[in-house]
Amino acid sequence: AQTVTQSQPEMSVQEAETVTLSCTYDTSESNYYLFWYKQPPSRQMILVIRQEAYKQQNATENRFSVNFQKAAKSFSLKISDSQLGDTAMYFCAFMTSGAQKLVFGQGTRLTINP
Amino acid sequence: GAGVSQSPSNKVTEKGKDVELRCDPISGHTALYWYRQSLGQGLEFLIYFQGNSAPDKSGLPSDRFSAERTGGSVSTLTIQRTQQEDSAVYLCASSDVAGGADTQYFGPGTRLTVL
Repeated sequence: AQTVTQSQPEMSVQEAETVTLSCTYDTSESNYYLFWYKQPPSRQMILVIRQEAYKQQNATENRFSVNFQKAAKSFSLKISDSQLGDTAMYFCAFMTSGAQKLVFGQGTRLTINP
Repeated sequence: GAGVSQSPSNKVTEKGKDVELRCDPISGHTALYWYRQSLGQGLEFLIYFQGNSAPDKSGLPSDRFSAERTGGSVSTLTIQRTQQEDSAVYLCASSDVAGGADTQYFGPGTRLTVL
């Protein structure tokens, strides 16, 4: 069974700083997808970024980028120039190519302080 | 366009009562998913629909839980004889086609409280 581990339950940084959230996963599959979702207090899960395992290039979306290390089964999220609106729970998620369900980590509560 | 909508936003019920939770997916999305988010268990997959059929029901925790989807659109998750451990946020998501190539878009969830 696939598992996703987020080892940082909580993190806190000052506005404009860079922060990295860690995520590791365990799978024997070779074809899969990785995601970071953000969940603000409104409860709405919002996709931040996604990465296909067959792509060697790390995905980027504006201030958000990932460091995907396939051999190490690591998928960290870097947020640059952090903003107050980045305050939220962040979930790392995994999906194999043949399955239809996301497997989530336990989440990291990120607080951006003014 | 409109995103995934869920109703009600919050539901308080008494132990032993039945509840129905509704999900309206993004228009045109053929795949629909239900997840449960609770303090103790985190985010768990419940069931997945492709069209009106449910190829994967493996996450439903007991036979008190059921779901259906009609017209390839709206889905209803029903919990019979609710128990206190059913208290959680129930999230619905939809995607354009099934499979990892398509991102799942989530609704705001229904917070269920069983007294």
